[in-house]
Amino acid sequence: GAGVSQTPSNKVTEKGKYVELRCDPISGHTALYWYRQSLGQGPEFLIYFQGTGAADDSGLPNDRFFAVRPEGSVSTLKIQRTERGDSAVYLCASSPRLAPYNEQFFGPGTRLTVL
Amino acid sequence: AQSVTQLDSHVSVSEGTPVLLRCNYSSSYSPSLFWYVQHPNKGLQLLLKYTSAATLVKGINGFEAEFKKSETSFHLTKPSAHMSDAAEYFCVVTRNSGGSNYKLTFGKGTLLTVNP
Repeated sequence: GAGVSQTPSNKVTEKGKYVELRCDPISGHTALYWYRQSLGQGPEFLIYFQGTGAADDSGLPNDRFFAVRPEGSVSTLKIQRTERGDSAVYLCASSPRLAPYNEQFFGPGTRLTVL
Repeated sequence: AQSVTQLDSHVSVSEGTPVLLRCNYSSSYSPSLFWYVQHPNKGLQLLLKYTSAATLVKGINGFEAEFKKSETSFHLTKPSAHMSDAAEYFCVVTRNSGGSNYKLTFGKGTLLTVNP
């Protein structure tokens, strides 16, 4: 079956611009996570959705970052006034329900480069 | 709070020899532990998971890991490396129960190189 998909796969933008990154989770998965992976590091948690609501956004670095999941399926991560330090691979993951031992299925990521 | 330390940033082995990737964790809660693998230009894939059942966990592709609470370790092993095992490996911790968000905390990764 189809896995988690993310678009675009690559995004190059200029400092100060606005970007949107999209995540399509596996159908039926209620939990959705965003992570950010900087060069040479492991992924770091950004935000978690259970259904339509952002249940935990404690990992968002500042108020330039925002994410939505209006219908409980597709999610969009939005970054305003991008900075060079935002350059990273943004990963999306979904899981069938809220439980620690349920595997999180990851998408291939969106590589964001801010010039 | 929880954290993971992967003790080696790079491990190099010869094909057919054993693999050992080391991981220590810290957690305020009873932990669940995972190993994920990331091949170049591919998504993260779960190798195996520990969730407070058997302490010796078997995963895909011949990998296994042993949870040792007294040592706060969760090392990944494989008896015989294949060329296809070359990838980045991440040790991951989350809380086992009682929470509302099972966000994953990743280590920095260990790059495994397999030489012919």
